[in-house]
Amino acid sequence: AQSVTQLDSHVSVSEGTPVLLRCNYSSSYSPSLFWYVQHPNKGLQLLLKYTSAATLVKGINGFEAEFKKSETSFHLTKPSAHMSDAAEYFCVVTGERTGRRALTFGSGTRLQVQP
Amino acid sequence: EAGVTQSPTHLIKTRGQQVTLRCSPISGHTSVYWYQQALGLGLQFLLWYDEGEERNRGNFPPRFSGRQFPNYSSELNVNALELEDSALYLCASSIRDRGPEQYFGPGTRLTVT
Repeated sequence: AQSVTQLDSHVSVSEGTPVLLRCNYSSSYSPSLFWYVQHPNKGLQLLLKYTSAATLVKGINGFEAEFKKSETSFHLTKPSAHMSDAAEYFCVVTGERTGRRALTFGSGTRLQVQP
Repeated sequence: EAGVTQSPTHLIKTRGQQVTLRCSPISGHTSVYWYQQALGLGLQFLLWYDEGEERNRGNFPPRFSGRQFPNYSSELNVNALELEDSALYLCASSIRDRGPEQYFGPGTRLTVT
């Protein structure tokens, strides 16, 4: 079984300050991990992915995440928030077991960016 | 490259009716996935189709069904609609055996009254 826990339902930062969105995962298999972003009334956009290569993963729009197996964490960071980053962010896990492929989503973190 | 497309954008149906949602994957993608995003329930996996066959199914009743056509497009059918079926239905596609990431369409907003 696999699961993902997003530790904060809401995060509020000021524009230009760092962003940290926290995610812990659980998986019986070697996991693939993702962060997706969803802007209001939009679909999901892939920000970045970890698939057992480099543990520090760089994504689009200046976001990055670090896979820490010992802590079962995959936190999302950005050095400087922009107003356009305001959205809902989902941490996602999938196992590599053949025949599965279903993504398991966290409950989401709503990021507010204050001017 | 065109992304995943879904139709219609919005839909209003009455309880007990049936609905069909449509999805066209990214060109070259053979796998199509359906997810439900209902208020308060988060994003839940519904169905996975690949090469025309249902490969995996989430914890949903049989009145949720679908199919995949030879051109890899897909339909999601929901029979006997219930109020709690009101949700954003998201379709995603991927290339099987190319990596686990999935690419999502904009979704269809279904409202059941």
